[in-house]
Amino acid sequence: ETGVTQTPRHLVMGMTNKKSLKCEQHLGHNAMYWYKQSAKKPLELMFVYNFKEQTENNSVPSRFSPECPNSSHLFLHLHTLQPEDSALYLCASSPGLANNEQFFGPGTRLTVL
Amino acid sequence: EDQVTQSPEALRLQEGESSSLNCSYTVSGLRGLFWYRQDPGKGPEFLFTLYSAGEEKEKERLKATLTKKESFLHITAPKPEDSATYLCAVQAGSNNRKLIWGLGTSLAVNP
Repeated sequence: ETGVTQTPRHLVMGMTNKKSLKCEQHLGHNAMYWYKQSAKKPLELMFVYNFKEQTENNSVPSRFSPECPNSSHLFLHLHTLQPEDSALYLCASSPGLANNEQFFGPGTRLTVL
Repeated sequence: EDQVTQSPEALRLQEGESSSLNCSYTVSGLRGLFWYRQDPGKGPEFLFTLYSAGEEKEKERLKATLTKKESFLHITAPKPEDSATYLCAVQAGSNNRKLIWGLGTSLAVNP
């Protein structure tokens, strides 16, 4: 595997389900990011981790819970989501916070019924 | 307030018809300006980073330039495979942990 990988690529869940998104980067980077991308909106930063420590939580509802066990892996745990949470969820990594050239994974297309 | 505006929102070109995309920004202390390409259903693909006014970078048919207020992405003799959404983002000195993103320009190149 190379670059940034994300699984699953597509996810359909009900509002009462619990699911997790997984991201893995193979670039040796130290910073990892979760973004939400919705139509007609700019990319919305959700969380930032640097050396597996959370450095940014962009006022994200608690129904989204991130986890970063090491610098290569990032999870987004989902529970009791709302239909408006349906979007493309993108993971990215960068060498560090100062060097912000971010490399993205292919995303998870999430649909909440 | 830090802000990034991209224009036009959409652009349709004939193959071989050169044009430019614009990214204007108002930020306090520019640390870097980034261009990305995004194909439908995929994550953004990194293209360029520009750090200071006057800087230029090229890759195949793409050339990015930077002034103190805006950046241009020039596309020379585009091909249908250049069709994508082009995103611009800036890193500001006020908060270097996050990028400020524009809405993108959707480019379609007809054969």
